[in-house]
Amino acid sequence: DQQVKQNSPSLSVQEGRISILNCDYTNSMFDYFLWYKKYPAEGPTFLISISSIKDKNEDGRFTVFLNKSAKHLSLHIVPSQPGDSAVYFCAASKLAGSARQLTFGSGTQLTVLP
Amino acid sequence: DVKVTQSSRYLVKRTGEKVFLECVQDMDHENMFWYRQDPGLGLRLIYFSYDVKMKEKGDIPEGYSVSREKKERFSLILESASTNQTSMYLCASSFGLAGKRHEQFFGPGTRLTVL
Repeated sequence: DQQVKQNSPSLSVQEGRISILNCDYTNSMFDYFLWYKKYPAEGPTFLISISSIKDKNEDGRFTVFLNKSAKHLSLHIVPSQPGDSAVYFCAASKLAGSARQLTFGSGTQLTVLP
Repeated sequence: DVKVTQSSRYLVKRTGEKVFLECVQDMDHENMFWYRQDPGLGLRLIYFSYDVKMKEKGDIPEGYSVSREKKERFSLILESASTNQTSMYLCASSFGLAGKRHEQFFGPGTRLTVL
């Protein structure tokens, strides 16, 4: 039972245009959401996050939107650059036992074409 | 900068061998995690530890065990490796519940192949 879903395995966009990556979740206990970026042969690196009490968070070219009623979040990258080409993972955080745990989606491969 | 290091980038083992994967973090983080990453499945949590000698099962603990004898070090053990444990293994660390940051910091990963 996948609690965090990224339904698009891949996405291609032209350099300079907007990239929109989507993520859906099912568990109402998640109260914090994160996006990670992963290059081949490297570990994921944290990109941006949002608390469930907010609906938008911006950091430079990256903006994350949260729609709690729809249990949906999205990552916008504007403008997209070739160096943004990577796998993007959505993750949802909840308190479980003695630590906060992350549940990850299956990832979306973003390719930014020059 | 947070640094999480893993003992090997690539490892090849035979079926039935005992395998140790080591992870070290230098940020005095309370929590440490082991994940495996497989195509189309994302990252799945195997085990985590919230303190020295403390551990909890993740979503897929079968066939694995862990050890945390020191705060900075977290080991993943495959008691008897099987071919279905061929995967990318990722270690991560994070602040404890008192910290305000939620993100986990990842190591570079170990690509394990079991023949």
